[in-house]
Amino acid sequence: AQKVTQAQTEISVVEKEDVTLDCVYETRDTTYYLFWYKQPPSGELVFLIRRNSFDEQNEISGRYSWNFQKSTSSFNFTITASQVVDSAVYFCALSEQTGTASKLTFGTGTRLQVTL
Amino acid sequence: EAQVTQNPRYLITVTGKKLTVTCSQNMNHEYMSWYRQDPGLGLRQIYYSMNVEVTDKGDVPEGYKVSRKEKRNFPLILESPSPNQTSLYFCASTDSSGESYNEQFFGPGTRLTVL
Repeated sequence: AQKVTQAQTEISVVEKEDVTLDCVYETRDTTYYLFWYKQPPSGELVFLIRRNSFDEQNEISGRYSWNFQKSTSSFNFTITASQVVDSAVYFCALSEQTGTASKLTFGTGTRLQVTL
Repeated sequence: EAQVTQNPRYLITVTGKKLTVTCSQNMNHEYMSWYRQDPGLGLRQIYYSMNVEVTDKGDVPEGYKVSRKEKRNFPLILESPSPNQTSLYFCASTDSSGESYNEQFFGPGTRLTVL
């Protein structure tokens, strides 16, 4: 069975600090997708990134960057120069393929609090 | 605008009173699913549907029913709600082809309280 572990339950940083959110996954599939979602206090889920198992290139999008390492089964998320608006719960998720279906297995989330 | 809609957004009800949470998507996706979110547990899949009239259980299906009579709609039915079904519910639809392949598009969520 697949599993996603986000060991950091809560992180608190001061604005402008860099912060890394850890994600470790387990799967027997050779083809899979990894995701990060942001859930702000308003409650909706905001898609941040999708990465497939064959693409280990790191990605940067503005202040956000992602480090995918298959060797350690990790897909970590770094926010550079954090801002108060980054305060949210962040979920890492893994999808497996079952025929034409897909299912997301979520981690338990990391609550990030950015203060002034 | 591509979107997944859910109704109602908030609902307070009492034990045993049947309710339905509607979900609709306008992206012509074949695959839809329901998740519940509980503190410390993340999101867990309740049911999913691969196409019209094709549904299957997810990880936590007890106490729930679904139907998929039309491609765009995937309602979640609680025939006899209980307090342990108090949760935040998300509907999602998945792109099975194209640029956003395998990305799940989530609705805004329905916060359900069962007294």
